[in-house]
Amino acid sequence: DTAVSQTPKYLVTQMGNDKSIKCEQNLGHDTMYWYKQDSKKFLKIMFSYNNKELIINETVPNRFSPKSPDKAHLNLHINSLELGDSAVYFCASSQEYRAAEAFFGQGTRLTVV
Amino acid sequence: EDKVVQSPLSLVVHEGDTVTLNCSYEVTNFRSLLWYKQEKKAPTFLFMLTSSGIEKKSGRLSSILDKKELSSILNITATQTGDSAIYLCAVREGGSEKLVFGKGTKLTVNP
Repeated sequence: DTAVSQTPKYLVTQMGNDKSIKCEQNLGHDTMYWYKQDSKKFLKIMFSYNNKELIINETVPNRFSPKSPDKAHLNLHINSLELGDSAVYFCASSQEYRAAEAFFGQGTRLTVV
Repeated sequence: EDKVVQSPLSLVVHEGDTVTLNCSYEVTNFRSLLWYKQEKKAPTFLFMLTSSGIEKKSGRLSSILDKKELSSILNITATQTGDSAIYLCAVREGGSEKLVFGKGTKLTVNP
């Protein structure tokens, strides 16, 4: 069973489109995250949710909106996609907000053309 | 400014060599330091070091935290081609509780 799963794994779309990436974890964790990894492999946090509540919101354009319907899911919606949004987006979860390691999903490679 | 700095950025060695990867950090309220290995896809967790656990070992991999020097090293002995990956260091800072990642060290182990 996959602990943290993201869909889709690959996403190719045109500039200006709106797209969503879904994430689900079956680990019973309370905290979930979205990270962006750029072409230079630099991982940077975007958002963090704890028990469906937004905890961290880094300096991310308003076009990015996370949604957490329950603590096992954290989806990422992106409006008006731009070329610079091309990256690999990783979802992750951890046991609790303050502790322990984060477990990562397999990533979603987004390519905006 | 970068809060977590890894060095070297890339490293090429031969099988059997021993390597040491470095991570230095600058955060106001340190909670823990984590090492991850990233091959083709998701980063996978290796170690977590805290004030109460400054040294960890698992097989050929070991890691030490130096809280005085605000740094950590990851050692890999008798390297194998399967060790080729990007090794990421991350620091969790108190307050924001964010995991802040370094830019990684790309390790290539040649046969």
